Amino acid sequence: NAGVTQTPKFQVLKTGQSMTLQCAQDMNHNSMYWYRQDPGMGLRLIYYSASEGTTDKGEVPNGYNVSRLNKREFSLRLESAAPSQTSVYFCASKEAREYEQYFGPGTRLTVT
Amino acid sequence: TQLLEQSPQFLSIQEGENLTVYCNSSSVFSSLQWYRQEPGEGPVLLVTVVTGGEVKKLKRLTFQFGDARKDSSLHITAAQPGDTGLYLCAGAAGGSYIPTFGRGTSLIVHP
Repeated sequence: NAGVTQTPKFQVLKTGQSMTLQCAQDMNHNSMYWYRQDPGMGLRLIYYSASEGTTDKGEVPNGYNVSRLNKREFSLRLESAAPSQTSVYFCASKEAREYEQYFGPGTRLTVT
Repeated sequence: TQLLEQSPQFLSIQEGENLTVYCNSSSVFSSLQWYRQEPGEGPVLLVTVVTGGEVKKLKRLTFQFGDARKDSSLHITAAQPGDTGLYLCAGAAGGSYIPTFGRGTSLIVHP
C-alpha cells in the first residue's frame, strides 16, 4: 500500500520547456488535488478533480493544465515553463465528502 | 485573501519548553485539520477537529477547536527535537469539501 506517489522527485527545466508531473493513489479515493508550496505561502491549490471525469481550477491555475486519466491517476502539465513556476508541487487525494487529505512526497521543480 | 491566519510564523525553542500555535479565521469551518510537514516530505495529517469546543490529545500534542468553530490551537508540552517541522492548519468553510490551508508555523526545537 504505497498511498500517494509522485514522479519525478526532482526536475530542472529551462524556460519554455514543457513537462508533466505524474501522481497516482492506491486508496480508491474519488478526489485528487495539485498544490504548489512556496516559502512563506503555505499550500496553494492549482487544480483539483472532485471525481473521475471532472477537473476544476483552484486558486492559482494559470500556466498549468491537468488530466484525470482514471480514478487512480491525476497529472499536472506545464506547457511552457516559467521561472515563476519554480516551486515544490504536491499531489493529494481524499474521499469526496471527507476533509482529511493524504499527500505525496512532492516534486521539486526548478525553472531556469 | 488568506482565509486562515496562522501565528506565529516562526518559533525556535529549546527542548523541554511548551508552546502554542494558533489558527484563526473570520469564517466558520465544518472542521479543521492539523498537519505536520518535515523537511523534504509531504504534509502528514495529525488530527481533525469537528465540534466547537472539542479538545483532542495526541501524546504531548493538544488540539482545541474554538466554540464558534472559527479558530483552533495546537499546544505542545515538553517539546522534543522530533517535533521540528512545519505545522499547517486547513479547513473547509461554507459547506465546501475543498480545504484551504494556512501559511504554516515553522517550529525548530533545539536539543
